[in-house]
Amino acid sequence: AQTVTQSQPEMSVQEAETVTLSCTYDTSESDYYLFWYKQPPSRQMILVIRQEAYKQQNATENRFSVNFQKAAKSFSLKISDSQLGDAAMYFCAIHGGGADGLTFGKGTHLIIQP
Amino acid sequence: NAGVTQTPKFRVLKTGQSMTLLCAQDMNHEYMYWYRQDPGMGLRLIHYSVGEGTTAKGEVPDGYNVSRLKKQNFLLGLESAAPSQTSVYFCASTPPAGTQYFGPGTRLLVL
Repeated sequence: AQTVTQSQPEMSVQEAETVTLSCTYDTSESDYYLFWYKQPPSRQMILVIRQEAYKQQNATENRFSVNFQKAAKSFSLKISDSQLGDAAMYFCAIHGGGADGLTFGKGTHLIIQP
Repeated sequence: NAGVTQTPKFRVLKTGQSMTLLCAQDMNHEYMYWYRQDPGMGLRLIHYSVGEGTTAKGEVPDGYNVSRLKKQNFLLGLESAAPSQTSVYFCASTPPAGTQYFGPGTRLLVL
């Protein structure tokens, strides 16, 4: 079984500053994928970033980047230059590479202070 | 290209009633999934399908049935709704080893 833990139920950051959301996971798979999804009040699940476990290089997407520490089973999300539109729930998730679905953490509510 | 769509968007049921949620995708994806999201929780997998005519149980399958008669459609059925099934339901699809694309969700209230 896979587990994902997000230890920060809520985070707050000033607009234009940088914030890091934490995620740790556990899996017995050797090949897996990690994701961060954003869920705004509309409830739509939006992919933020994806990391393949076999890749050592940390994934980046514009203002979003990850710090993937495979040995520590840690996968944090850094948001630079925070914008009001970044306010949302953020979910960390893992996929073992097979046909079964994603395992999600409980989420972090990100508040952006203007 | 509509992506993943879900019908209906919102529904109210009485305890014991039945209903079917429809998920449709136009991306020719092999794999499809049904999740539920409860307050303070991430999404949890109910059932999934790796192809037309195949289904499998996820983490929380009790009280639900599914069918995948066509590749583009994945149906989730509640035979006898219970208040514990009040939730937001998400459908997703993906190619093998790909990223999951989610529908907009269906909010279900069981009284």
